[in-house]
Amino acid sequence: NAGVMQNPRHLVRRRGQEARLRCSPMKGHSHVYWYRQLPEEGLKFMVYLQKENIIDESGMPKERFSAEFPKEGPSILRIQQVVRGDSAAYFCASSPNPANTEAFFGQGTRLTVV
Amino acid sequence: QQPVQSPQAVILREGEDAVINCSSSKALYSVHWYRQKHGEAPVFLMILLKGGEQKGHDKISASFNEKKQQSSLYLTASQLSYSGTYFCGTELASGGYQKVTFGIGTKLQVIP
Repeated sequence: NAGVMQNPRHLVRRRGQEARLRCSPMKGHSHVYWYRQLPEEGLKFMVYLQKENIIDESGMPKERFSAEFPKEGPSILRIQQVVRGDSAAYFCASSPNPANTEAFFGQGTRLTVV
Repeated sequence: QQPVQSPQAVILREGEDAVINCSSSKALYSVHWYRQKHGEAPVFLMILLKGGEQKGHDKISASFNEKKQQSSLYLTASQLSYSGTYFCGTELASGGYQKVTFGIGTKLQVIP
Protein backbone atom coordinates (compact mmCIF):
# COMPACT_ATOMS: atom_id res chain seq x y z
CA ASN A 1 0.00 0.00 0.00
CA ALA A 2 1.76 3.10 -1.23
CA GLY A 3 1.79 6.11 1.03
CA VAL A 4 0.33 9.51 0.27
CA MET A 5 1.84 10.69 -2.99
CA GLN A 6 2.32 14.34 -3.75
CA ASN A 7 3.67 15.82 -6.93
CA PRO A 8 5.59 17.66 -7.92
CA ARG A 9 8.03 17.67 -5.01
CA HIS A 10 9.38 21.03 -6.09
CA LEU A 11 7.61 23.66 -8.15
CA VAL A 12 8.93 27.01 -9.28
CA ARG A 13 6.52 29.58 -10.63
CA ARG A 14 6.87 33.18 -11.70
CA ARG A 15 4.63 35.76 -10.11
CA GLY A 16 1.22 35.73 -11.78
CA GLN A 17 1.38 32.11 -12.95
CA GLU A 18 -0.78 29.27 -11.72
CA ALA A 19 0.39 26.46 -9.45
CA ARG A 20 -1.28 23.05 -9.37
CA LEU A 21 -0.38 20.71 -6.56
CA ARG A 22 -1.52 17.10 -6.69
CA CYS A 23 -2.17 14.64 -3.90
CA SER A 24 -3.08 10.99 -4.21
CA PRO A 25 -4.28 9.72 -0.84
CA MET A 26 -3.57 6.27 0.48
CA LYS A 27 -5.74 3.53 -0.97
CA GLY A 28 -9.07 3.39 0.78
CA HIS A 29 -8.76 6.85 2.30
CA SER A 30 -11.56 9.24 1.41
CA HIS A 31 -10.56 12.08 3.75
CA VAL A 32 -7.96 14.56 2.55
CA TYR A 33 -6.45 17.56 4.32
CA TRP A 34 -4.17 20.25 2.96
CA TYR A 35 -1.71 22.14 5.16
CA ARG A 36 0.74 24.95 4.47
CA GLN A 37 4.07 25.19 6.24
CA LEU A 38 6.28 28.27 6.23
CA PRO A 39 9.95 27.98 7.28
CA GLU A 40 10.35 27.61 11.04
CA GLU A 41 6.59 27.46 11.52
CA GLY A 42 4.01 24.80 12.19
CA LEU A 43 1.57 23.28 9.79
CA LYS A 44 -1.44 25.48 9.13
CA PHE A 45 -4.75 23.86 8.21
CA MET A 46 -6.10 24.98 4.88
CA VAL A 47 -8.91 22.70 3.77
CA TYR A 48 -10.59 19.37 4.45
CA LEU A 49 -12.24 17.41 1.67
CA GLN A 50 -14.12 14.19 1.31
CA LYS A 51 -14.65 12.62 -2.06
CA GLU A 52 -16.21 15.28 -4.31
CA ASN A 53 -17.02 17.55 -1.36
CA ILE A 54 -15.30 20.45 0.33
CA ILE A 55 -16.20 20.13 4.00
CA ASP A 56 -14.14 22.89 5.59
CA GLU A 57 -12.10 25.49 3.71
CA SER A 58 -11.84 27.97 6.55
CA GLY A 59 -8.04 27.98 6.47
CA MET A 60 -7.78 28.78 2.80
CA PRO A 61 -7.42 32.36 1.50
CA LYS A 62 -10.69 33.42 -0.09
CA GLU A 63 -9.08 34.54 -3.31
CA ARG A 64 -6.81 32.70 -5.73
CA PHE A 65 -6.87 29.40 -3.81
CA SER A 66 -9.14 26.48 -4.56
CA ALA A 67 -9.17 22.78 -3.85
CA GLU A 68 -10.96 19.77 -5.23
CA PHE A 69 -11.09 16.03 -4.66
CA PRO A 70 -12.89 14.48 -7.62
CA LYS A 71 -14.50 11.07 -7.68
CA GLU A 72 -11.65 9.81 -9.82
CA GLY A 73 -8.11 11.07 -9.59
CA PRO A 74 -6.02 12.99 -7.10
CA SER A 75 -6.94 15.94 -4.96
CA ILE A 76 -5.76 19.21 -6.46
CA LEU A 77 -4.78 22.41 -4.69
CA ARG A 78 -4.79 25.23 -7.19
CA ILE A 79 -3.23 28.63 -6.65
CA GLN A 80 -3.93 31.23 -9.27
CA GLN A 81 -1.80 34.32 -9.93
CA VAL A 82 0.84 33.29 -7.43
CA VAL A 83 2.66 35.90 -5.36
CA ARG A 84 5.94 35.67 -3.45
CA GLY A 85 4.05 35.16 -0.19
CA ASP A 86 2.65 31.89 -1.53
CA SER A 87 6.13 30.35 -1.34
CA ALA A 88 5.88 27.54 1.20
CA ALA A 89 5.74 23.80 1.61
CA TYR A 90 2.26 22.41 1.01
CA PHE A 91 1.46 19.10 2.64
CA CYS A 92 -1.42 16.81 1.98
CA ALA A 93 -2.61 14.22 4.46
CA SER A 94 -5.21 11.49 4.24
CA SER A 95 -7.03 9.35 6.75
CA PRO A 96 -9.36 6.36 6.63
CA ASN A 97 -11.77 7.93 9.10
CA PRO A 98 -12.82 11.51 9.61
CA ALA A 99 -11.88 11.89 13.28
CA ASN A 100 -9.71 10.64 16.12
CA THR A 101 -7.34 8.91 13.80
CA GLU A 102 -3.84 9.00 12.45
CA ALA A 103 -3.34 11.23 9.43
CA PHE A 104 -0.79 10.05 6.88
CA PHE A 105 1.19 12.87 5.35
CA GLY A 106 2.77 13.09 1.94
CA GLN A 107 6.27 14.44 1.46
CA GLY A 108 4.98 17.82 0.44
CA THR A 109 5.35 20.15 -2.52
CA ARG A 110 7.79 22.99 -2.07
CA LEU A 111 6.51 25.96 -4.03
CA THR A 112 8.89 28.77 -4.83
CA VAL A 113 7.55 31.91 -6.45
CA VAL A 114 10.18 34.00 -8.22
CA GLN B 1 -5.66 29.17 18.80
CA GLN B 2 -2.14 27.86 18.25
CA PRO B 3 -0.76 25.71 21.09
CA VAL B 4 2.49 26.76 22.71
CA GLN B 5 5.34 24.29 22.75
CA SER B 6 8.35 24.30 25.01
CA PRO B 7 11.24 24.13 24.80
CA GLN B 8 11.76 25.47 21.29
CA ALA B 9 14.92 23.44 20.89
CA VAL B 10 16.84 20.84 22.82
CA ILE B 11 20.07 18.92 22.34
CA LEU B 12 20.48 15.54 23.97
CA ARG B 13 23.19 12.95 24.12
CA GLU B 14 22.20 9.42 23.21
CA GLY B 15 20.54 7.73 26.12
CA GLU B 16 19.28 10.89 27.79
CA ASP B 17 15.62 11.65 28.41
CA ALA B 18 13.59 14.63 27.24
CA VAL B 19 10.18 16.14 27.85
CA ILE B 20 8.37 18.34 25.36
CA ASN B 21 5.39 20.31 26.57
CA CYS B 22 2.35 21.57 24.71
CA SER B 23 -0.11 23.94 26.31
CA SER B 24 -3.30 25.64 25.28
CA SER B 25 -5.20 28.63 26.57
CA LYS B 26 -8.48 26.88 25.80
CA ALA B 27 -10.03 23.57 26.79
CA LEU B 28 -8.93 20.76 24.57
CA TYR B 29 -10.67 17.80 23.00
CA SER B 30 -7.58 16.08 21.67
CA VAL B 31 -3.83 16.38 21.28
CA HIS B 32 -1.90 14.97 18.32
CA TRP B 33 1.87 14.42 18.26
CA TYR B 34 3.96 14.19 15.08
CA ARG B 35 7.66 14.09 14.31
CA GLN B 36 9.12 15.61 11.15
CA LYS B 37 12.65 15.13 9.91
CA HIS B 38 14.12 17.83 7.72
CA GLY B 39 12.65 17.73 4.22
CA GLU B 40 10.36 14.82 5.02
CA ALA B 41 6.70 14.23 5.81
CA PRO B 42 5.45 14.55 9.37
CA VAL B 43 5.02 11.12 10.92
CA PHE B 44 2.26 10.32 13.38
CA LEU B 45 3.27 9.41 16.94
CA MET B 46 0.01 9.35 18.88
CA ILE B 47 -3.35 10.92 19.64
CA LEU B 48 -4.63 11.58 23.13
CA LEU B 49 -8.28 12.26 23.68
CA LYS B 50 -10.19 14.20 26.28
CA GLY B 51 -10.46 12.20 29.45
CA GLY B 52 -6.89 12.55 30.55
CA GLU B 53 -5.11 9.61 29.10
CA GLN B 54 -1.59 8.47 28.79
CA LYS B 55 -0.20 6.54 25.88
CA GLY B 56 3.10 5.15 24.82
CA HIS B 57 4.95 2.82 22.57
CA ASP B 58 8.56 1.78 22.79
CA LYS B 59 10.33 4.59 24.60
CA ILE B 60 8.04 7.44 23.56
CA SER B 61 4.98 8.21 25.65
CA ALA B 62 2.67 11.10 26.26
CA SER B 63 0.20 12.36 28.79
CA PHE B 64 -2.77 14.67 28.47
CA ASN B 65 -3.87 16.72 31.44
CA GLU B 66 -7.30 17.99 30.54
CA LYS B 67 -7.61 20.28 33.56
CA LYS B 68 -4.31 21.98 32.87
CA GLN B 69 -5.00 22.04 29.13
CA GLN B 70 -1.62 20.62 28.37
CA SER B 71 0.14 17.57 27.08
CA SER B 72 3.66 16.32 27.51
CA LEU B 73 5.69 14.03 25.28
CA TYR B 74 8.30 11.89 27.02
CA LEU B 75 11.31 10.53 25.17
CA THR B 76 13.23 7.99 27.17
CA ALA B 77 16.76 6.78 26.51
CA SER B 78 16.91 8.83 23.32
CA GLN B 79 18.33 7.39 20.12
CA LEU B 80 19.91 9.21 17.18
CA SER B 81 16.78 8.39 15.17
CA TYR B 82 14.72 10.56 17.53
CA SER B 83 16.23 13.71 16.04
CA GLY B 84 13.73 15.92 14.27
CA THR B 85 11.07 18.53 14.93
CA TYR B 86 8.21 17.48 17.16
CA PHE B 87 4.83 19.10 16.60
CA CYS B 88 1.86 19.00 18.86
CA GLY B 89 -1.52 19.68 17.35
CA THR B 90 -4.71 20.39 19.20
CA GLU B 91 -8.44 20.26 18.63
CA LEU B 92 -10.81 22.29 20.75
CA ALA B 93 -13.84 20.16 19.97
CA SER B 94 -14.90 17.15 18.01
CA GLY B 95 -16.52 18.54 14.90
CA GLY B 96 -16.91 15.19 13.23
CA TYR B 97 -13.62 15.59 11.41
CA GLN B 98 -10.04 16.49 12.30
CA LYS B 99 -9.21 20.15 12.31
CA VAL B 100 -5.85 20.28 14.01
CA THR B 101 -3.97 23.44 14.92
CA PHE B 102 -0.25 22.79 15.19
CA GLY B 103 2.36 24.53 17.31
CA ILE B 104 5.58 25.83 15.79
CA GLY B 105 7.45 22.74 16.88
CA THR B 106 10.32 21.69 19.13
CA LYS B 107 13.63 20.89 17.44
CA LEU B 108 15.27 17.91 19.04
CA GLN B 109 18.82 16.91 18.20
CA VAL B 110 20.33 13.73 19.60
CA ILE B 111 24.12 13.57 19.42
CA PRO B 112 26.41 10.58 19.99
